[in-house]
Amino acid sequence: GAGVSQSPSNKVTEKGKDVELRCDPISGHTALYWYRQSLGQGLEFLIYFQGNSAPDKSGLPSDRFSAERTGGSVSTLTIQRTQQEDSAVYLCASSLAAAVGGYTFGSGTRLTVV
Amino acid sequence: GQQVMQIPQYQHVQEGEDFTTYCNSSTTLSNIQWYKQRPGGHPVFLIQLVKSGEVKKQKRLTFQFGEAKKNSSLHITATQTTDVGTYFCAGLGGLTGGGNKLTFGTGTQLKVEL
Repeated sequence: GAGVSQSPSNKVTEKGKDVELRCDPISGHTALYWYRQSLGQGLEFLIYFQGNSAPDKSGLPSDRFSAERTGGSVSTLTIQRTQQEDSAVYLCASSLAAAVGGYTFGSGTRLTVV
Repeated sequence: GQQVMQIPQYQHVQEGEDFTTYCNSSTTLSNIQWYKQRPGGHPVFLIQLVKSGEVKKQKRLTFQFGEAKKNSSLHITATQTTDVGTYFCAGLGGLTGGGNKLTFGTGTQLKVEL
């Protein structure tokens, strides 16, 4: 597609429920990144993919967080047993390849855990 | 791990005044990128600097990469209301590691008053 697409744009969930966030990167971009941004804060790295592999998962906050990427395209970030501290904007970005050029970000998914 | 700090955290200026934000990394960087995030929006790539001592200009914006490749600055001449937003630097790890993903700075929020 022309840009990075994320869905849903907003998600309100009850504490303890599981959520899935989706990212559709720019066609041809082999690298895909997930970041998290709390209100008024900076960007916290979560995980990145090169193709379908995740060479760096170091930013995932706990084992409740997981992500996968299939077909070198769409990625899903799953948060199990959500907690209130998971509330944030989850941003996905893609680039031609890892360490190549700037990132194009999607509009993000605003997750609110109540 | 790699840390990237920015100062100031906030800056209020009158329209027409100049603005500068400074970025410092705890480690030597392969390259540094700058992003702008408008209120309620997502980060948008502005520029990438790769060479030691590099200076690049985009209209009223001047970007510099330090000789040691550990610091950078963004200077805006004669600010306009359209410059409002948060400016993030983001570093890609160099010889000392950091992998193939960007570590974002803490950001500088710019407000421009008429």
